[in-house]
Formats: sequence, structure tokens, C-alpha cells
Amino acid sequence: AQSVTQLGSHVSVSEGALVLLRCNYSSSVPPYLFWYVQYPNQGLQLLLKYTTGATLVKGINGFEAEFKKSETSFHLTKPSAHMSDAAEYFCAVSGGPSGYSTLTFGKGTMLLVSP
Amino acid sequence: DTGVSQNPRHKITKRGQNVTFRCDPISEHNRLYWYRQTLGQGPEFLTYFQNEAQLEKSRLLSDRFSAERPKGSFSTLEIQRTEQGDSAMYLCASSFLANEQFFGPGTRLTVL
Repeated sequence: AQSVTQLGSHVSVSEGALVLLRCNYSSSVPPYLFWYVQYPNQGLQLLLKYTTGATLVKGINGFEAEFKKSETSFHLTKPSAHMSDAAEYFCAVSGGPSGYSTLTFGKGTMLLVSP
Repeated sequence: DTGVSQNPRHKITKRGQNVTFRCDPISEHNRLYWYRQTLGQGPEFLTYFQNEAQLEKSRLLSDRFSAERPKGSFSTLEIQRTEQGDSAMYLCASSFLANEQFFGPGTRLTVL
């Protein structure tokens, strides 16, 4: 079975500081990996995804993530935080007996950005 | 707006009542998914359709839950005899085959 672990339910950074949100996954097959962002009272928006190929993936709003198979990790980074980045971030994995159809999400990390 | 839409956005009901939610996917998408998100948790997969066919159901989808997609377009999720534990955000997503899933804004259910 697939699973996702996001370390830290809350991460606080200052505006302009590096953002690092951690995600580790477990999958019995080569995984597809995703990061989604959720603003209050809204649905999830895809930030970036890894399927195959280049392990460093760039997404929207300056975010990027690197797939590290040996560490089973897919950490999300952004060089300089902006106040508008404050939101909840979810890491997700697909792949397994059901194929690549359904997503298994982590519990989420709330990013707090202070001025 | 051509995104995924869900109605209603909020639903308050009393325990034991039945509720029904609707999801309208992006028009060219043939797959439609339902997820449930409780406070402090990530979304959990419930079920998905490809066109009219319900291809997978999670163990979370008890007998009180039923989902339909009769014409391969919109879908409904019905919960019968609601319980307080059903209080959650119900999210719908759509995709073309196994490509990126686009999520709707969700329906927040409160069972009193």
C-alpha cells in the first residue's frame, strides 16, 4: 500500500526566507508524486508533479521539488517566501495495484509566513 | 469558468437525514473522483468513475454512501442516515484518463 508522511504539521518562515516542506513516501511501484496547495475554503491546486524523467521538477509560483529514490523523498522548496505563500500544502503519491488513478495524500503542512 | 464545480458549498443537516451532493467536472474529462477531507487530515480517496462506470471504491465508502454518474457527465454522492462522523469536506476532482486531477472547491458537510 502507498503512504505519504509529511514532517511537521506547521512550518513558520519569515518573508524572503527559504521554504522547505518535507515529504517521504512509500510505494511498491515507481511512484508518481505531487504537491498540491490549498487556500482556505478552496479546493486543491496542483503546484508540481513528478512522473518520470528529470528528478528536479519546477512548478508554479517559484516552487520546485526533487525526487530522491534512495531517500524515498520529494521535498518542496522555494528560495524566497512571499506572504501569499501562506497556505496548506499536501504531498500525494499515486501508483500501486490500482495503477496511477487514485491519489494518496499526506496529512498536510500549514505554511505560515511572517513579515 | 470551466473548472470543476460542486454544489452546495455548505450543507448542515441533522443526524439521520439523507444528503446529496453534486459535482460537475471539466467537460472534456472522462474521469471523476470523490475524496473526503476531515479536519487536520489530507483528502482520502472514496471512489472514481471513468465515463459512467464506477471503477474503484475505497473501504471508506460504507453502505450508506452511494455515488452515481449516470450520463458520464455530472456525478452525485448521496449519504443516507448521516452520522456525526460524516462531517467533513467532500471534494470532487476530474481528469482525462490518469492525467492531472483538477479539484473543485468542495462541499462542507456538518452533521448536528
